[in-house]
Amino acid sequence: KAGVTQTPRYLIKTRGQQVTLSCSPISGHRSVSWYQQTPGQGLQFLFEYFSETQRNKGNFPGRFSGRQFSNSRSEMNVSTLELGDSALYLCASSLQGAENTEAFFGQGTRLTVV
Amino acid sequence: GENVEQHPSTLSVQEGDSAVIKCTYSDSASNYFPWYKQELGKRPQLIIDIRSNVGEKKDQRIAVTLNKTAKHFSLHITETQPEDSAVYFCAAAASGGGSNYKLTFGKGTLLTVNP
Repeated sequence: KAGVTQTPRYLIKTRGQQVTLSCSPISGHRSVSWYQQTPGQGLQFLFEYFSETQRNKGNFPGRFSGRQFSNSRSEMNVSTLELGDSALYLCASSLQGAENTEAFFGQGTRLTVV
Repeated sequence: GENVEQHPSTLSVQEGDSAVIKCTYSDSASNYFPWYKQELGKRPQLIIDIRSNVGEKKDQRIAVTLNKTAKHFSLHITETQPEDSAVYFCAAAASGGGSNYKLTFGKGTLLTVNP
């Protein structure tokens, strides 16, 4: 069974640009969560999608948005990039939700904003 | 919302010793507590989890204990090996009817096992 796949693995963007990250969950998993990982803050929750519906959103500005498609693949978008957005972005998929069933993480997308 | 505190932030032990990492949580509705291990440059992976109807759970050299009254839970690794060196994250979530569909993570503990 293929694991969680995130693309691209690395991105370098300029301040003010926007970026779209992609996450393909494990086959059969309907829940996809996104987390921002930085050295000082650990893993911070961005949002969670289940069957194309956002069920929860973390404390991030509106520049961070996401969506989920009918095949459970998910994308997150960050507009008007700031230097502080540089981080590792991880997605995790689970059968019903990470709060209930094991969450499997992707390798992450390393975003650098210059 | 939920807040998870994790201590210590770094831990260095000699091979063969035990290691203990502690976490506290704030939301009494939380009832699912997973632990993740993240090796350098790798993705976080679940190593053990516990639900609030259980006080302790073991899996070979790893054990987790939960004290619901005090709102804290701990990870115990016995007979540590160099391959145990990694960052360990605790997390908490409310599942079931009170679910908010997310894991709240502690800030991580960098465990170094010296040969």
